[in-house]
Amino acid sequence: GAGVSQTPSNKVTEKGKYVELRCDPISGHTALYWYRQSLGQGPEFLIYFQGTGAADDSGLPNDRFFAVRPEGSVSTLKIQRTERGDSAVYLCASSQGPLENIQYFGAGTRLSVL
Amino acid sequence: GENVEQHPSTLSVQEGDSAVIKCTYSDSASNYFPWYKQELGKRPQLIIDIRSNVGEKKDQRIAVTLNKTAKHFSLHITETQPEDSAVYFCAASRPEYGNKLVFGAGTILRVKS
Repeated sequence: GAGVSQTPSNKVTEKGKYVELRCDPISGHTALYWYRQSLGQGPEFLIYFQGTGAADDSGLPNDRFFAVRPEGSVSTLKIQRTERGDSAVYLCASSQGPLENIQYFGAGTRLSVL
Repeated sequence: GENVEQHPSTLSVQEGDSAVIKCTYSDSASNYFPWYKQELGKRPQLIIDIRSNVGEKKDQRIAVTLNKTAKHFSLHITETQPEDSAVYFCAASRPEYGNKLVFGAGTILRVKS
């Protein structure tokens, strides 16, 4: 595709519900990153995939957060038992590979937990 | 781990003036420093980046300087225009950590016409 695509663009859910956020990286990009951006702050790293495997998940805040990338392309970020503090914009980025620094971002999913 | 601090948090300039945003980083092994521009509700867009083997890089009205000894880098925008108004983020990364980006808190730049 032309760029990193994220769906949905907006997600409103109730406290305690389960949500899935999808990221479709640039075709051919093997590295994929998830970040979380709270209002008025810079993006914060959550998890990094190289191919199908999670190479670094040190940024996931707790075990309610999980991400997969089963075929090395599309990734899904899953949040269980959502809390109001999970409300933020979830950004996905991709790069050509582990030796390529430049990351291209999607427009994000704005998650609102009521 | 890496920590990136960014100043100022807000910056107002008159159209045509220059704007400078400064960042410091803590991890001397970081070797890649991008700057992203983010307009309201839009995706962060890379505007310029610099690697640790150079001290300065320019692209038209935008330049970035890096001082590895002092561990700081700066974004310079000359001849500012209203469309430069946005939030600017600096970041740092190192390949050993998968090039994950550590961002500063951002600078809101307002260019007054």
